[in-house]
Amino acid sequence: GAVVSQHPSWVICKSGTSVKIECRSLDFQATTMFWYRQFPKQSLMLMATSNEGSKATYEQGVEKDKFLINHASLTLSTLTVTSAHPEDSSFYICSAEEGTRNTDTQYFGPGTRLTVL
Amino acid sequence: DAKTTQPPSMDCAEGRAANLPCNHSTISGNEYVYWYRQIHSQGPQYIIHGLKNNETNEMASLIITEDRKSSTLILPHATLRDTAVYYCIVHNYGQNFVFGPGTRLSVLP
Repeated sequence: GAVVSQHPSWVICKSGTSVKIECRSLDFQATTMFWYRQFPKQSLMLMATSNEGSKATYEQGVEKDKFLINHASLTLSTLTVTSAHPEDSSFYICSAEEGTRNTDTQYFGPGTRLTVL
Repeated sequence: DAKTTQPPSMDCAEGRAANLPCNHSTISGNEYVYWYRQIHSQGPQYIIHGLKNNETNEMASLIITEDRKSSTLILPHATLRDTAVYYCIVHNYGQNFVFGPGTRLSVLP
C-alpha cells in the first residue's frame, strides 16, 4: 500500500517552455501533497505544500508564479514549471501524506528529472 | 534545520547487519523518529518510524534509546540493493519533514 506515482519520469524541454508534472496517490487519498526539489549531491528541499481544494503554501524563496501547483482531487496534484530555464533543471519529487492512524507519514513518488536546454 | 546528526558514510558487508546511528539530542517529547532511504535517482522510500518504543517491520528494526537522544536503524541482513542514502528525521505531527545530508550506506559484496 501507500504507492505514489509521478509522470513523466524524465523530461527534456527548451528554455522558455512550460512543463507539467503529475503526482498521484494510487491506493489512498491524500488531502496534502508536497513538492520537493533535489539538486545533484544535495538533499531534498521542500518547495511547497499542496492542499486539496485550496491554494498551495510555498516555502521562502520559491516563486509561486513560476511553479504553479494544482491539487484538484484527493489523488492528484500537478506542478507546472512555467517559462523553464536551465537553472530549473533538477530532480522534482512529490510526496503524499497518508493521514490515518494519527500519523502523517509521507510517501514519495519516484521523481521526475527535468532538463532544460 | 535538520535536528539530527548522522555519519556521512558507512560500509557494510553483504549478508551482515547494517547498523546506522542517528543522534537527536534535542528531540522533544512528541517528536517521532523517522527513517527514509533514497536509492540513486529515485524518490525516498519510507522505512520505519517510532516514538519511544523499539519498532520492527519487514524492512528494518528501529532501536530508540531510553532518553530518546539517539537511535539506530538496523537492516538485519544487508543486500547490495540496500545501498542508498539513509535519512534520519525528527518529525512532529503537522510539521514539515526536513531532510539532512543522511548517511550513504555502501553494501559491499
